[in-house]
Amino acid sequence: GAVVSQHPSWVICKSGTSVKIECRSLDFQATTMFWYRQFPKQSLMLMATSNEGSKATYEQGVEKDKFLINHASLTLSTLTVTSAHPEDSSFYICSARARHAQFFGPGTRLTVL
Amino acid sequence: ELKVEQNPLFLSMQEGKNYTIYCNYSTTSDRLYWYRQDPGKSLESLFVLLSNGAVKQEGRLMASLDTKARLSTLHITAAVHDLSATYFCAPTGGQGGKLIFGQGTELSVKP
Repeated sequence: GAVVSQHPSWVICKSGTSVKIECRSLDFQATTMFWYRQFPKQSLMLMATSNEGSKATYEQGVEKDKFLINHASLTLSTLTVTSAHPEDSSFYICSARARHAQFFGPGTRLTVL
Repeated sequence: ELKVEQNPLFLSMQEGKNYTIYCNYSTTSDRLYWYRQDPGKSLESLFVLLSNGAVKQEGRLMASLDTKARLSTLHITAAVHDLSATYFCAPTGGQGGKLIFGQGTELSVKP
């Protein structure tokens, strides 16, 4: 099956700093990728849809200036959490769409101190 | 706006028993996915259901889709401890094929 990677798998940062998370489709091209956030014991919440070569589409309530998404190639989307605060601590998961399926990355656990 | 409800949210089963997880969704969707998530891990794809009446089976798990009732079920047969995990259903909703996740069903299978 198709493989999606994320980097880093975990990151700890100080409040006020920015963190970049990469999502790569390793063996297929993905014009569309999705970014989700999951708090402990909760479901996945879609943050934004990332489209190659165009601006991301953000879900209601997600601050586009805080969560910057760039999808510069068919195999790479990045999510930058700017000026991170402790409430941004969460599990961030990306997915890439291929044919009828969506393939999920292994997730990035962000802890903001 | 598509809304998804799973029930039950928590399920404690004994090994060897059967049970069904239900997934109701509020508006028309063209496909529905089931995923498994182990603690601290990402999602593992179980099934994708593409049409009304679709039924798929893998091992002790069987998923079905009734698009008219806007209902999908995940049936567990003769549960074993290895099936302990959280199970999510996710129909597609809106543009671009984005997935809308249910709350998840936390399954615990005890000997």
